[in-house]
Amino acid sequence: EDQVTQSPEALRLQEGESSSLNCSYTVSGLRGLFWYRQDPGKGPEFLFTLYSAGEEKEKERLKATLTKKESFLHITAPKPEDSATYLCAPSGGYQKVTFGIGTKLQVIP
Amino acid sequence: NAGVTQTPKFQVLKTGQSMTLQCAQDMNHNSMYWYRQDPGMGLRLIYYSASEGTTDKGEVPNGYNVSRLNKREFSLRLESAAPSQTSVYFCASSEASGFTDTQYFGPGTRLTVL
Repeated sequence: EDQVTQSPEALRLQEGESSSLNCSYTVSGLRGLFWYRQDPGKGPEFLFTLYSAGEEKEKERLKATLTKKESFLHITAPKPEDSATYLCAPSGGYQKVTFGIGTKLQVIP
Repeated sequence: NAGVTQTPKFQVLKTGQSMTLQCAQDMNHNSMYWYRQDPGMGLRLIYYSASEGTTDKGEVPNGYNVSRLNKREFSLRLESAAPSQTSVYFCASSEASGFTDTQYFGPGTRLTVL
């Protein structure tokens, strides 16, 4: 059974304090791994797709990386507007995407 | 482009009542999905439609039915609502099928069943 674990469950950072969010997964035949951002009361918003180990993608203060067992979302010098829940979702084959519970990030001014 | 739209935004039902959640996308996507999101759990797939005219069960289909009305619209019906169906429901769409393509989500419907 495909599994995904995100850690930490919650993270509180000072503005400008860089950190990383972790997504550990057990998926047979990974076909892609998605990162989404979800604001309270809103639907998930797409950030990145990673397809193979070693791949990296960046967008503003965010950088996502992928290994064979984990993905990391690095946040550099975060701002309060980066506060949100970040969801990881590996795709393990046809008809299957498994969403993690998410990491709730709070960035304090 | 509005992307993915959902109606209603909020709904309160009594046990046993029925209702239909509506979803539409204007991105000319082939695949559409219905998920539910509950506290402490990841998004779980209820039903999906890989292309117009086809629908398939996901992880938690019991108590739900779907209709792919046309390429744009995908509705979710609760025939006899139960308190266990209290949740936030999200519709999503993607250009391709097979779950390897990016899914774009709507704003959600918050459903409470009393």
